Amino acid sequence: DGGITQSPKYLFRKEGQNVTLSCEQNLNHDAMYWYRQDPGQGLRLIYYSQIVNDFQKGDIAEGYSVSREKKESFPLTVTSAQKNPTAFYLCASSNPGTGFNYGYTFGSGTRLTVV
Amino acid sequence: DAKTTQPNSMESNEEEPVHLPCNHSTISGTDYIHWYRQLPSQGPEYVIHGLTSNVNNRMASLAIAEDRKSSTLILHRATLRDAAVYYCILRAVGNQGGKLIFGQGTELSVKP
Repeated sequence: DGGITQSPKYLFRKEGQNVTLSCEQNLNHDAMYWYRQDPGQGLRLIYYSQIVNDFQKGDIAEGYSVSREKKESFPLTVTSAQKNPTAFYLCASSNPGTGFNYGYTFGSGTRLTVV
Repeated sequence: DAKTTQPNSMESNEEEPVHLPCNHSTISGTDYIHWYRQLPSQGPEYVIHGLTSNVNNRMASLAIAEDRKSSTLILHRATLRDAAVYYCILRAVGNQGGKLIFGQGTELSVKP
Protein backbone atom coordinates (compact mmCIF):
# COMPACT_ATOMS: atom_id res chain seq x y z
CA ASP A 1 0.00 0.00 0.00
CA GLY A 2 1.21 3.52 -0.75
CA GLY A 3 1.83 5.88 2.10
CA ILE A 4 4.24 7.93 4.18
CA THR A 5 6.59 6.39 6.70
CA GLN A 6 8.07 8.45 9.50
CA SER A 7 10.74 7.08 11.77
CA PRO A 8 11.38 6.76 14.56
CA LYS A 9 8.01 7.05 16.29
CA TYR A 10 9.64 8.29 19.51
CA LEU A 11 12.98 10.08 19.77
CA PHE A 12 14.90 11.41 22.73
CA ARG A 13 17.63 13.98 22.32
CA LYS A 14 20.07 15.53 24.70
CA GLU A 15 20.35 19.28 24.76
CA GLY A 16 22.93 20.57 22.27
CA GLN A 17 22.62 17.60 19.92
CA ASN A 18 21.41 17.59 16.35
CA VAL A 19 18.89 14.92 15.41
CA THR A 20 17.43 13.85 12.06
CA LEU A 21 13.85 12.71 11.51
CA SER A 22 13.15 10.47 8.55
CA CYS A 23 10.23 10.80 6.12
CA GLU A 24 9.79 8.49 3.13
CA GLN A 25 6.85 8.29 0.71
CA ASN A 26 6.01 5.84 -2.08
CA LEU A 27 3.05 7.78 -3.45
CA ASN A 28 5.08 9.39 -6.24
CA HIS A 29 4.07 12.78 -4.88
CA ASP A 30 6.07 15.82 -5.98
CA ALA A 31 5.60 17.97 -2.87
CA MET A 32 6.54 17.19 0.70
CA TYR A 33 6.05 19.12 3.93
CA TRP A 34 7.17 19.18 7.55
CA TYR A 35 4.89 20.42 10.32
CA ARG A 36 5.36 20.82 14.04
CA GLN A 37 2.57 20.39 16.57
CA ASP A 38 2.74 21.42 20.23
CA PRO A 39 0.27 20.08 22.83
CA GLY A 40 -3.24 21.43 22.30
CA GLN A 41 -2.16 23.43 19.27
CA GLY A 42 -2.67 23.25 15.53
CA LEU A 43 0.07 22.38 13.04
CA ARG A 44 2.72 24.91 12.02
CA LEU A 45 4.67 24.64 8.77
CA ILE A 46 8.46 24.27 9.10
CA TYR A 47 9.67 23.59 5.54
CA TYR A 48 8.21 22.40 2.28
CA SER A 49 9.56 21.16 -1.03
CA GLN A 50 7.74 21.21 -4.37
CA ILE A 51 10.40 19.35 -6.38
CA VAL A 52 13.67 17.52 -5.89
CA ASN A 53 16.64 19.71 -4.91
CA ASP A 54 14.38 22.63 -3.99
CA PHE A 55 12.75 23.60 -0.71
CA GLN A 56 11.24 26.66 0.93
CA LYS A 57 11.03 27.93 4.50
CA GLY A 58 7.69 27.79 6.23
CA ASP A 59 6.54 29.87 9.17
CA ILE A 60 8.93 28.47 11.81
CA ALA A 61 12.09 27.35 9.95
CA GLU A 62 14.63 28.72 12.44
CA GLY A 63 16.66 25.94 14.05
CA TYR A 64 15.69 23.37 11.41
CA SER A 65 17.23 22.19 8.14
CA VAL A 66 16.03 19.88 5.35
CA SER A 67 17.25 18.26 2.15
CA ARG A 68 15.44 16.85 -0.86
CA GLU A 69 17.94 14.77 -2.81
CA LYS A 70 15.36 12.15 -3.81
CA LYS A 71 11.68 12.46 -4.66
CA GLU A 72 10.79 9.84 -2.05
CA SER A 73 12.70 11.32 0.89
CA PHE A 74 12.53 14.58 2.86
CA PRO A 75 14.54 14.31 6.09
CA LEU A 76 14.30 17.02 8.75
CA THR A 77 17.24 17.90 11.00
CA VAL A 78 16.50 19.55 14.30
CA THR A 79 19.65 21.47 15.19
CA SER A 80 20.97 22.64 18.53
CA ALA A 81 19.87 26.14 17.50
CA GLN A 82 16.22 25.15 17.96
CA LYS A 83 15.56 26.36 21.52
CA ASN A 84 12.39 24.40 22.20
CA PRO A 85 12.45 21.25 20.05
CA THR A 86 10.17 19.04 22.15
CA ALA A 87 7.10 18.53 19.94
CA PHE A 88 5.19 16.18 17.64
CA TYR A 89 6.59 16.33 14.09
CA LEU A 90 4.45 15.44 11.09
CA CYS A 91 5.50 14.88 7.50
CA ALA A 92 3.07 15.13 4.59
CA SER A 93 3.05 14.87 0.81
CA SER A 94 0.79 15.97 -2.02
CA ASN A 95 0.76 16.31 -5.77
CA PRO A 96 0.11 19.96 -6.56
CA GLY A 97 1.31 19.41 -10.08
CA THR A 98 -1.98 17.70 -10.86
CA GLY A 99 -4.18 20.41 -9.43
CA PHE A 100 -4.31 22.38 -6.24
CA ASN A 101 -7.47 20.67 -5.11
CA TYR A 102 -5.66 17.48 -4.13
CA GLY A 103 -5.50 16.41 -0.51
CA TYR A 104 -2.44 15.84 1.61
CA THR A 105 -1.33 12.47 2.97
CA PHE A 106 0.23 12.60 6.42
CA GLY A 107 2.59 10.24 8.19
CA SER A 108 1.95 8.98 11.70
CA GLY A 109 4.43 11.40 13.25
CA THR A 110 7.59 11.44 15.36
CA ARG A 111 7.42 12.57 18.96
CA LEU A 112 10.69 14.28 19.89
CA THR A 113 11.60 14.89 23.51
CA VAL A 114 14.66 16.75 24.76
CA VAL A 115 16.05 15.23 27.92
CA ASP B 1 -2.92 33.51 3.67
CA ALA B 2 -6.67 33.60 4.21
CA LYS B 3 -7.68 32.49 7.69
CA THR B 4 -10.52 30.38 9.02
CA THR B 5 -12.51 30.59 12.25
CA GLN B 6 -13.97 27.54 13.95
CA PRO B 7 -15.53 26.89 17.37
CA ASN B 8 -13.02 25.45 19.80
CA SER B 9 -15.19 22.47 20.71
CA MET B 10 -18.50 20.78 19.98
CA GLU B 11 -20.41 17.84 21.42
CA SER B 12 -22.58 15.32 19.67
CA ASN B 13 -24.56 12.22 20.53
CA GLU B 14 -23.75 8.97 18.82
CA GLU B 15 -25.75 8.24 15.66
CA GLU B 16 -26.94 11.84 15.36
CA PRO B 17 -25.87 14.26 12.60
CA VAL B 18 -23.11 16.77 13.34
CA HIS B 19 -22.69 20.14 11.64
CA LEU B 20 -19.23 21.65 12.05
CA PRO B 21 -19.11 25.31 10.96
CA CYS B 22 -16.22 27.27 9.52
CA ASN B 23 -16.00 30.97 8.65
CA HIS B 24 -13.56 32.17 6.01
CA SER B 25 -14.66 35.69 5.15
CA THR B 26 -11.36 36.60 3.41
CA ILE B 27 -11.34 33.64 1.05
CA SER B 28 -10.12 34.38 -2.47
CA GLY B 29 -11.77 33.16 -5.63
CA THR B 30 -9.27 30.36 -6.21
CA ASP B 31 -8.92 29.04 -2.65
CA TYR B 32 -10.14 25.50 -2.15
CA ILE B 33 -11.80 24.62 1.16
CA HIS B 34 -10.27 21.52 2.73
CA TRP B 35 -11.28 19.61 5.85
CA TYR B 36 -8.99 17.30 7.78
CA ARG B 37 -9.40 15.50 11.07
CA GLN B 38 -6.83 14.36 13.59
CA LEU B 39 -7.19 11.62 16.16
CA PRO B 40 -4.97 11.77 19.27
CA SER B 41 -1.29 11.08 18.57
CA GLN B 42 -1.92 10.53 14.86
CA GLY B 43 -1.34 12.53 11.72
CA PRO B 44 -4.27 14.43 10.20
CA GLU B 45 -6.51 12.57 7.79
CA TYR B 46 -8.06 14.12 4.69
CA VAL B 47 -11.86 14.28 4.91
CA ILE B 48 -13.21 16.32 2.02
CA HIS B 49 -12.62 19.42 -0.07
CA GLY B 50 -14.57 21.72 -2.36
CA LEU B 51 -14.47 24.98 -4.30
CA THR B 52 -18.00 26.27 -4.90
CA SER B 53 -20.46 23.40 -5.06
CA ASN B 54 -21.54 21.13 -2.23
CA VAL B 55 -19.61 17.87 -2.11
CA ASN B 56 -20.37 14.38 -0.80
CA ASN B 57 -18.11 11.43 -0.17
CA ARG B 58 -18.22 8.30 1.93
CA MET B 59 -16.96 10.13 5.01
CA ALA B 60 -18.93 13.37 5.04
CA SER B 61 -20.65 16.15 3.14
CA LEU B 62 -19.41 19.69 2.63
CA ALA B 63 -21.90 22.52 2.29
CA ILE B 64 -20.43 25.77 0.94
CA ALA B 65 -22.26 29.07 1.26
CA GLU B 66 -23.14 30.84 -1.98
CA ASP B 67 -20.76 33.72 -1.18
CA ARG B 68 -18.10 31.17 -0.09
CA LYS B 69 -17.48 33.05 3.16
CA SER B 70 -18.48 30.04 5.24
CA SER B 71 -18.81 26.29 4.98
CA THR B 72 -20.15 23.40 7.05
CA LEU B 73 -18.82 19.89 7.39
CA ILE B 74 -21.65 17.43 7.92
CA LEU B 75 -21.20 14.02 9.50
CA HIS B 76 -24.50 12.29 8.85
CA ARG B 77 -24.36 9.81 11.73
CA ALA B 78 -21.67 10.42 14.32
CA THR B 79 -19.87 7.42 15.76
CA LEU B 80 -17.43 7.23 18.65
CA ARG B 81 -14.64 6.89 16.09
CA ASP B 82 -15.49 10.36 14.77
CA ALA B 83 -14.25 11.99 17.98
CA ALA B 84 -11.30 14.07 16.77
CA VAL B 85 -10.06 17.59 16.07
CA TYR B 86 -11.49 18.84 12.78
CA TYR B 87 -9.57 21.44 10.79
CA CYS B 88 -11.06 23.69 8.15
CA ILE B 89 -8.28 24.93 5.87
CA LEU B 90 -8.00 27.10 2.78
CA ARG B 91 -5.54 25.78 0.25
CA ALA B 92 -3.64 28.60 -1.44
CA VAL B 93 -3.14 28.35 -5.18
CA GLY B 94 -0.17 29.73 -7.07
CA ASN B 95 3.48 29.94 -6.15
CA GLN B 96 3.07 28.78 -2.60
CA GLY B 97 3.13 25.09 -3.42
CA GLY B 98 -0.40 24.52 -2.26
CA LYS B 99 0.68 24.59 1.37
CA LEU B 100 -1.93 24.08 4.05
CA ILE B 101 -2.14 26.58 6.91
CA PHE B 102 -3.76 25.00 9.96
CA GLY B 103 -5.81 26.87 12.56
CA GLN B 104 -6.81 25.60 16.00
CA GLY B 105 -9.61 23.37 14.74
CA THR B 106 -12.77 22.13 16.46
CA GLU B 107 -12.50 19.34 18.98
CA LEU B 108 -15.51 17.09 18.51
CA SER B 109 -16.57 14.80 21.32
CA VAL B 110 -19.17 12.09 20.74
CA LYS B 111 -21.27 10.77 23.59
CA PRO B 112 -22.62 7.21 23.54
